[in-house]
Amino acid sequence: KAGVTQTPRYLIKTRGQQVTLSCSPISGHRSVSWYQQTPGQGLQFLFEYFSETQRNKGNFPGRFSGRQFSNSRSEMNVSTLELGDSALYLCASSPRELPTGTETQYFGPGTRLLVL
Amino acid sequence: GESVGLHLPTLSVQEGDNSIINCAYSNSASDYFIWYKQESGKGPQFIIDIRSNMDKRQGQRVTVLLNKTVKHLSLQIAATQPGDSAVYFCAETPVGGGGNKLTFGTGTQLKVEL
Repeated sequence: KAGVTQTPRYLIKTRGQQVTLSCSPISGHRSVSWYQQTPGQGLQFLFEYFSETQRNKGNFPGRFSGRQFSNSRSEMNVSTLELGDSALYLCASSPRELPTGTETQYFGPGTRLLVL
Repeated sequence: GESVGLHLPTLSVQEGDNSIINCAYSNSASDYFIWYKQESGKGPQFIIDIRSNMDKRQGQRVTVLLNKTVKHLSLQIAATQPGDSAVYFCAETPVGGGGNKLTFGTGTQLKVEL
C-alpha cells in the first residue's frame, strides 16, 4: 500500500497570509489526524477527522481549521499566519479508532511551513 | 515571551549494544501506547505498540515494557545499529475515547557510535 502523502512538502508564506495543506491517507483509512511539530512545543495534536466529521480538536486557535472529503482526503487551513505558525505539519491516518489490531496510526512526511 | 526549545535527552550507545529509552506518561486513562522513530526530515515511523492489558510486547529487535503502576514505558532496542540513530517518541491515547488523539512525549535522541 502507498503511504500517507502530504502536499506541498515545503512552503514559505508571509505574516497575514493564509495557507492550505493537503493530506491523502493510506487507501482504506477513514481517520485523518493533524499534528504540529515545533522545537519549542514538540508534537501537538491539532484535530482529527473521521468520515468527514471532526471528531477531536486540540488546543489551537480558530485560525486553524480543517476538513475531510468523501474519499477521506483531508485539508487543513491556517488563516492570518503568524511567525509562530512556522512548523512541520504532520498528517496521520488510521483505519478507524485506535487500536485496531495490527494496524495503527501512520504518519506522512509532513509539510514544512516557514512564515516570514 | 516565547518558550525555549525543548531540550531532548540524548542517549549515546555503541554499535552492537542494547539501548533502553524511557518514557513517563501522566494520563491514567491512557491504555494504548505507541513508540515512534523520527529521522531527520521525515515523519514519525511506527515501531511497536502495546495495550494496557499487557506489560511486555516484542517485535523485531525491539521490546516495549509497560509499568502501569508507575506510569512508565520503555523501549529496548537489541544490537543497536547506526540506522537506529533518530529521535524516539512515545505516544499515548485512551481507548474508546471516541477518537484517535495521540499525546506525545518530548522525545529522546538516540545516537549510535561506531
